[in-house]
Amino acid sequence: DADVTQTPRNRITKTGKRIMLECSQTKGHDRMYWYRQDPGLGLQLIYYSFDVKDINKGEISDGYSVSRQAQAKFSLSLESAIPNQTALYFCATSDSGGPSDTQYFGPGTRLTVL
Amino acid sequence: QKEVEQNSGPLSVPEGAIASLNCTYSDRGSQSFFWYRQYSGKSPELIMFIYSNGDKEDGRFTAQLNKASQYVSLLIRDSQPSDSATYLCAVMNSGYSTLTFGKGTMLLVSP
Repeated sequence: DADVTQTPRNRITKTGKRIMLECSQTKGHDRMYWYRQDPGLGLQLIYYSFDVKDINKGEISDGYSVSRQAQAKFSLSLESAIPNQTALYFCATSDSGGPSDTQYFGPGTRLTVL
Repeated sequence: QKEVEQNSGPLSVPEGAIASLNCTYSDRGSQSFFWYRQYSGKSPELIMFIYSNGDKEDGRFTAQLNKASQYVSLLIRDSQPSDSATYLCAVMNSGYSTLTFGKGTMLLVSP
């Protein structure tokens, strides 16, 4: 079984709808991250969490919110989806910091907002 | 604004050649540097990381770091068609917190 899973893998929704993307991990890592990737723009950090009680905004948090339900679960919500949120979304996890703290990525969710 | 710059490519090399991928970064306080490989439509996979000046080798891959020049590179020896992918450079921000990613370099290895 995959260490980092994301659901759904693909989603098509309409402008104005609320949508939630979910991420679960079995790696036992404390840190979790949400990124979006647009063609040619690389990975941009949306939100990150270093433990269940710690939530931080990334570089592009406007229009998004998150919930850290447990050490293993981190959800990303789009309260009112708009077409420019169409992108590939990745969840990632890492251990507890330090110079070799490596991020491991889930398989991604392809979101299309019509 | 912390920046990580990579040539978008594509970088085209013949099978068996050495591919050289480069990355520069703006935050002089950065301590750790990561190379990820990403196939189209797939998630990034770690190739290797480096945090000491000099070279670090892992199989066909060698990462090189020069903190004074704020430059990190990845060499791929004996390139194979299966190495064709986008290579992402990522820089760990001061305080070992988050990563800033470059936009990636596309590598094409022709048989």
